[in-house]
Amino acid sequence: GDSVTQMEGPVTLSEEAFLTINCTYTATGYPSLFWYVQYPGEGLQLLLKATKADDKGSNKGFEATYRKETTSFHLEKGSVQVSDSAVYFCALSDWGYQKVTFGTGTKLQVIP
Amino acid sequence: NAGVTQTPKFQVLKTGQSMTLQCAQDMNHEYMSWYRQDPGMGLRLIHYSVGAGITDQGEVPNGYNVSRSTTEDFPLRLLSAAPSQTSVYFCASSTDSGGRPDTQYFGPGTRLTVL
Repeated sequence: GDSVTQMEGPVTLSEEAFLTINCTYTATGYPSLFWYVQYPGEGLQLLLKATKADDKGSNKGFEATYRKETTSFHLEKGSVQVSDSAVYFCALSDWGYQKVTFGTGTKLQVIP
Repeated sequence: NAGVTQTPKFQVLKTGQSMTLQCAQDMNHEYMSWYRQDPGMGLRLIHYSVGAGITDQGEVPNGYNVSRSTTEDFPLRLLSAAPSQTSVYFCASSTDSGGRPDTQYFGPGTRLTVL
């Protein structure tokens, strides 16, 4: 079946540091890929998505590129802020499956 | 649009009690799902629905029932609460995108404690 593996957290960075959160997937079909963010005490919300190979999703300075050859969708941001502190979830949605598969989440803490 | 709403926000139950967590969406989405989130466990799918009258089990369905009589509503019933069901519960909805769920819209969650 489908699965998503993302790097263990927590990740602690200083403000303005470069961020990478790794995400790899296994899928039987041709999935859409997503990054969701969860701020403390809230539900998840979409950060960005990509629906086909080589697509780049971007939002709020975050980017991720759909790499079919390496089955990866790594999240990057060039300069993190304290307000980016949250839990980040990688997810996929595969054709023929009627449910979304989530990774276990990576907690990011940005310190001033 | 209110999006996805969940009630109640907080609930405390005693072991053996039953209750229903409410979820409603006003976006005419076909897909709806229930997840539980425990510390260090990420999200786990309880039940999901692809349309009114159609439901299916996720990875942790035991102890929970669902029904979907309308497109808008997807209640989750705890039959006989147990301490292991202490968790934060999220409802989500999405449209269909070529035979698979598109972006998930999440509710604010219900924090349940079972004593």
